[in-house]
Amino acid sequence: DAGVTQSPTHLIKTRGQQVTLRCSPISGHKSVSWYQQVLGQGPQFIFQYYEKEERGRGNFPDRFSARQFPNYSSELNVNALLLGDSALYLCASSRGLAGTYEQYFGPGTRLTVT
Amino acid sequence: GENVEQHPSTLSVQEGDSAVIKCTYSDSASNYFPWYKQELGKRPQLIIDIRSNVGEKKDQRIAVTLNKTAKHFSLHITETQPEDSAVYFCAAIIYNQGGKLIFGQGTELSVKP
Repeated sequence: DAGVTQSPTHLIKTRGQQVTLRCSPISGHKSVSWYQQVLGQGPQFIFQYYEKEERGRGNFPDRFSARQFPNYSSELNVNALLLGDSALYLCASSRGLAGTYEQYFGPGTRLTVT
Repeated sequence: GENVEQHPSTLSVQEGDSAVIKCTYSDSASNYFPWYKQELGKRPQLIIDIRSNVGEKKDQRIAVTLNKTAKHFSLHITETQPEDSAVYFCAAIIYNQGGKLIFGQGTELSVKP
């Protein structure tokens, strides 16, 4: 089975722009979670989606939004980019809700905001 | 609050020694505690997890213990090898505003040959 995939691998944007990151879960997994990992820190939870519904939200501003599609893939959107949004964005998938099922991470998208 | 504290932040051991990483969590309702290993430039990889209905779980050289009363859990690596060198993260599931994994700050483990 293929693991969690994310695109693009790297991205460079300027302040004020908008970005869309994409994630494809492991086949059979219905839940996708998004995390932000700043260098030297642990991943910080942004969203969890399960069966196309938001099932958890972290302490991030409304500039961050996400959605899940009928095939369980997901997109994370960030508007009005700030320098502080520069980070590795990780997607994780699980068969069901996190905590009930194990989460497996994708390789991440490295976002640089200049 | 939602908090997972992890110690130490760095740990250096000789090959063959044991390594112990400790975490505490704040939400008494937490019932799932995974550990992830992240090598430089790679994705976090799940190495072991434990649920609140057990106090200890082992997988070859890796073990995790859980003390629900004290809200502590620990990762134990025995007979360490240079390939164990990485950053290790603990996490706990928090059920405030839906389910979410809250991660500790990470422990950079260095195993010297």
